[in-house]
Amino acid sequence: EAQVTQNPRYLITVTGKKLTVTCSQNMNHEYMSWYRQDPGLGLRQIYYSMNVEVTDKGDVPEGYKVSRKEKRNFPLILESPSPNQTSLYFCASSRGWANSQETQYFGPGTRLLVL
Amino acid sequence: RKEVEQDPGPFNVPEGATVAFNCTYSNSASQSFFWYRQDCRKEPKLLMSVYSSGNEDGRFTAQLNRASQYISLLIRDSKLSDSATYLCVVNILRGATNKLIFGTGTLLAVQP
Repeated sequence: EAQVTQNPRYLITVTGKKLTVTCSQNMNHEYMSWYRQDPGLGLRQIYYSMNVEVTDKGDVPEGYKVSRKEKRNFPLILESPSPNQTSLYFCASSRGWANSQETQYFGPGTRLLVL
Repeated sequence: RKEVEQDPGPFNVPEGATVAFNCTYSNSASQSFFWYRQDCRKEPKLLMSVYSSGNEDGRFTAQLNRASQYISLLIRDSKLSDSATYLCVVNILRGATNKLIFGTGTLLAVQP
């Protein structure tokens, strides 16, 4: 089944404790991205990747890191989480980045609470 | 001003009703337009693309007005299963890549 998976789905942590949220897709998609969703603000892009070893900042990259060592995986790293990073996070992928009609496929989401 | 604006709702409608959502966007260079559906605590999923000539998919009709920079979604004969948040999404070209800008969503609650 074609899908985007994320782990963990739920996470409670404390300020400053490094964490990684994994994202994997099995559709051989080139383009992957991370979003956070907050009430009243909608989905905002954190980072994106156009292909292996090619990543760039989205609209809200502060406090996050990403890597793309393999085509299927795009982990999101919070080196020193803070309470303002409490949010619902979605990983997404699409076939490419040049076609404006591409459909984004989203993972199931990771709900993060930073105390 | 937000790049994509939607009425957050909620829209409470009885089963069988017709309901319409509007969305406005600020970037006149926007290239393509979509409606995504998001169920409570779930991921967004593409409902339909929106084309300049308007398009229909079963009970759903989407319209685009480029001159006024707004997009609409019409749902006829509402079902309980249509209850969800509907996200208006606009694609713009930023640098070399296409970027999706999401509205905050309109909540629809269909009542029995």
